[in-house]
Amino acid sequence: AQKITQTQPGMFVQEKEAVTLDCTYDTSDPSYGLFWYKQPSSGEMIFLIYQGSYDQQNATEGRYSLNFQKARKSANLVISASQLGDSAMYFCAMREGTYFGGSQGNLIFGKGTKLSVKP
Amino acid sequence: SAVISQKPSRDICQRGTSLTIQCQVDSQVTMMFWYRQQPGQSLTLIATANQGSEATYESGFVIDKFPISRPNLTFSTLTVSNMSPEDSSIYLCSVEKGYGSGANTGELFFGEGSRLTVL
Repeated sequence: AQKITQTQPGMFVQEKEAVTLDCTYDTSDPSYGLFWYKQPSSGEMIFLIYQGSYDQQNATEGRYSLNFQKARKSANLVISASQLGDSAMYFCAMREGTYFGGSQGNLIFGKGTKLSVKP
Repeated sequence: SAVISQKPSRDICQRGTSLTIQCQVDSQVTMMFWYRQQPGQSLTLIATANQGSEATYESGFVIDKFPISRPNLTFSTLTVSNMSPEDSSIYLCSVEKGYGSGANTGELFFGEGSRLTVL
């Protein structure tokens, strides 16, 4: 079974509007971290936001927020006020195992969502 | 944050040849990770490289095809041996953020990647 599922291969959003990119995950480990990365056409991987499994509040980083619903095992990325520069591939990822003092598991990536921002 | 430099950034290679990718980090890290991203696909972990020990390979990847060196705590190389067109990918080096600190979230920093095209 897939550990990370991103069901939207591609998404379009109008500039200045908000967009939600879906991500569901599967793990039996109570301790894990969830990550979102952005990959522009240049190929680099840019870290956006992190959510720990024990975090009580949803993570936010500027225009990025993570809608973490632990019971549903979902960690959707919300981008507010989209900009043309947000057009890129977005990957959801998970790392299992204790992360205080050093993570144990591999960072597992979803298949990604290609976001296109329209002017 | 860690600064990761990869060389070459891109290359075009002939079938049957081998290419070595270098990864230099500006701080000492115990674990370095090598990922592959085939065209239009997500990232897949090839191996984890620890200094002073043999690299640990993921299922589907073998040392004869992807030999890895880790001579010190800031440097690693990945060789793609006897290349075929199926090896055309972006190869990414990554390290863990905040290794050794109590607040390690498990986030990975990535190099800019090495884009290989095999003819």
